[in-house]
Amino acid sequence: AQSVTQLDSQVPVFEEAPVELRCNYSSSVSVYLFWYVQYPNQGLQLLLKYLSGSTLVESINGFEAEFNKSQTSFHLRKPSVHISDTAEYFCAVSDGYGGSQGNLIFGKGTKLSVKP
Amino acid sequence: GAVVSQHPSWVICKSGTSVKIECRSLDFQATTMFWYRQFPKQSLMLMATSNEGSKATYEQGVEKDKFLINHASLTLSTLTVTSAHPEDSSFYICSAREGLAGNQETQYFGPGTRLLVL
Repeated sequence: AQSVTQLDSQVPVFEEAPVELRCNYSSSVSVYLFWYVQYPNQGLQLLLKYLSGSTLVESINGFEAEFNKSQTSFHLRKPSVHISDTAEYFCAVSDGYGGSQGNLIFGKGTKLSVKP
Repeated sequence: GAVVSQHPSWVICKSGTSVKIECRSLDFQATTMFWYRQFPKQSLMLMATSNEGSKATYEQGVEKDKFLINHASLTLSTLTVTSAHPEDSSFYICSAREGLAGNQETQYFGPGTRLLVL
């Protein structure tokens, strides 16, 4: 069975500081990996995803994540955060897309708080 | 592209009544839609998966007679909470996955519906 572990439930950081949100997964098969962001009282927005190819993936707002197969990790990083990045971030894993496969397994989320 | 809407965004109802929540994919055809429930300060819990034109597949522990799901078209799925009770109060989020090759892996989420049962 697949599982996702987000080690930090809350990460406080000052504006313009770098941040890393950690995500580890367990799976016996090849996986697809996702980061979603949830702003207060809203649904989830896809931030970035790894399907195949380059292990480093980037979002349009400066976040990046690197798939590390040997460490079964998909940590999310940003070199300089803004107040507007304050949100909850969910890491998710999927083992495919057809039939019974392709369901997303979510981590418990990491609440990023950016302080001025 | 890939926008998913939900209606209503929030609803308050009396105990014992039924509530219907709509989930629409606005600019793509969703072969599969998912319904999640999110409790305060917790992650999303998958309730059921529905494919257009077929019965929904419910996760273990989710009552299918309580949470009725209909996926009548490629752009619309509905979740009806029947005989709602206060413990059904929660944030319900749907997602949709399109069937086009190359983008079958990604789920796009709606903004959620907050249900409060009095």
